[in-house]
Amino acid sequence: NAGVMQNPRHLVRRRGQEARLRCSPMKGHSHVYWYRQLPEEGLKFMVYLQKENIIDESGMPKERFSAEFPKEGPSILRIQQVVRGDSAAYFCASSPGSRGGDNEQFFGPGTRLTVL
Amino acid sequence: SQQGEEDPQALSIQEGENATMNCSYKTSINNLQWYRQNSGRGLVHLILIRSNEREKHSGRLRVTLDTSKKSSSLLITASRAADTASYFCQRTSGTYKYIFGTGTRLKVLA
Repeated sequence: NAGVMQNPRHLVRRRGQEARLRCSPMKGHSHVYWYRQLPEEGLKFMVYLQKENIIDESGMPKERFSAEFPKEGPSILRIQQVVRGDSAAYFCASSPGSRGGDNEQFFGPGTRLTVL
Repeated sequence: SQQGEEDPQALSIQEGENATMNCSYKTSINNLQWYRQNSGRGLVHLILIRSNEREKHSGRLRVTLDTSKKSSSLLITASRAADTASYFCQRTSGTYKYIFGTGTRLKVLA
């Protein structure tokens, strides 16, 4: 059973471009979470999605950031018009869901975004 | 800050010694989980402890939870060089609030 997959692993963008980060959850998992981690810091929750639904996006900036988890295909975190402050590692996690917060989350290897 | 605190921020010990990391939080929780992160990698789940539990063990790991003090500790016994990593606690508050601490960077010297 493959783990959580994220791609690309490294992404370089110039200021003003768009960044698309993809996350494929573990097989059988229908809940996806996105986190951002700055160097030497902990992970900060961004958004929690179930298939075709955003459950909690309280940690995601209201402008330029969006996330989706379609019925088919991976979850996408999209950052429009990137700025240097968006440079960070973005981690995706998945869980089987159904028990709310009482689920172990399985993390992907992360996408390291560098904005030049 | 919602994140709470972990201490120490950095810990350096000799191989074979025990390492203790602490995590404090401010709001009530449903459960608390500990994760390990090797440099530049994703997180690996270590232990989940529920709010009605006081202690859990897994191999060389022991986690305690004191809800009256709003704190948890992770003890790694007989540490090895391979335990060198950052360790994070994650609290679940309400149904979907997942909050990570700032982490403890552990270095085990061979």
